Amino acid sequence: EIVLTQTPGTLSVSPGERVTLSCRASQSVTRNNLAWYQQKPGQAPRLLIYGASGRASGSPDRFSGSGSGTDFTLTISRLEPEDFAVYYCQQYGSSPLYTFGQGTRLE
Amino acid sequence: QLQLQESGPGLVKPSETLSLTCTVSGGSISSNVYYWGWIRQPPAKGLEWIGNIDYSGRTNYNPSLQSRVTISVDTSKNMLSMDLNSVTAADTAVYYCARTHPLTGESNAWGQGTLVTVSS
Repeated sequence: EIVLTQTPGTLSVSPGERVTLSCRASQSVTRNNLAWYQQKPGQAPRLLIYGASGRASGSPDRFSGSGSGTDFTLTISRLEPEDFAVYYCQQYGSSPLYTFGQGTRLE
Repeated sequence: QLQLQESGPGLVKPSETLSLTCTVSGGSISSNVYYWGWIRQPPAKGLEWIGNIDYSGRTNYNPSLQSRVTISVDTSKNMLSMDLNSVTAADTAVYYCARTHPLTGESNAWGQGTLVTVSS
């Protein structure tokens, strides 16, 4: 079973900063099918990145994804006040078919 | 604009069956482009994939829930349904329906979620 580990669990940051979030898989992610989501309190997750580096429709261009194999990164180039949220990575293809990381909270 | 709306009982007793529906508007659930499925989130915890279904009715389930869950679609009502039987307190969660790309696996549309509490 594939496991996604996100680090750090919580990150203390300030608006204007460049932020890098990590997602490491216990085995290679099939075809780099790795997505990133943002979730704010009381809301459903919102897709930011798919296929490791593709920006979803409506996702601001300050969000970018990179990586391959087992190591993936979500970068926020310049943090805006509305970016304080929990971020999840998710893989598709290994059992179970879809797996989420435990999340990184920006505070 | 595509919208997904979950509905169901907010409270279910232990050992009973949790039944939820998701009404899709602004798009066809019988489209062969996407999978439609369910994801849940226990209070203050992370996300767990439950399962999904394609336009032909083929289903995929999380092995940890496969023995208890059934997902189906009613194309005449543009509706997705889920039954989870023999529930326990561990099944207390916000349940989301979501549209998922079949090739790359990302969920690009979500309902707002519905909280289901399992308690006597």
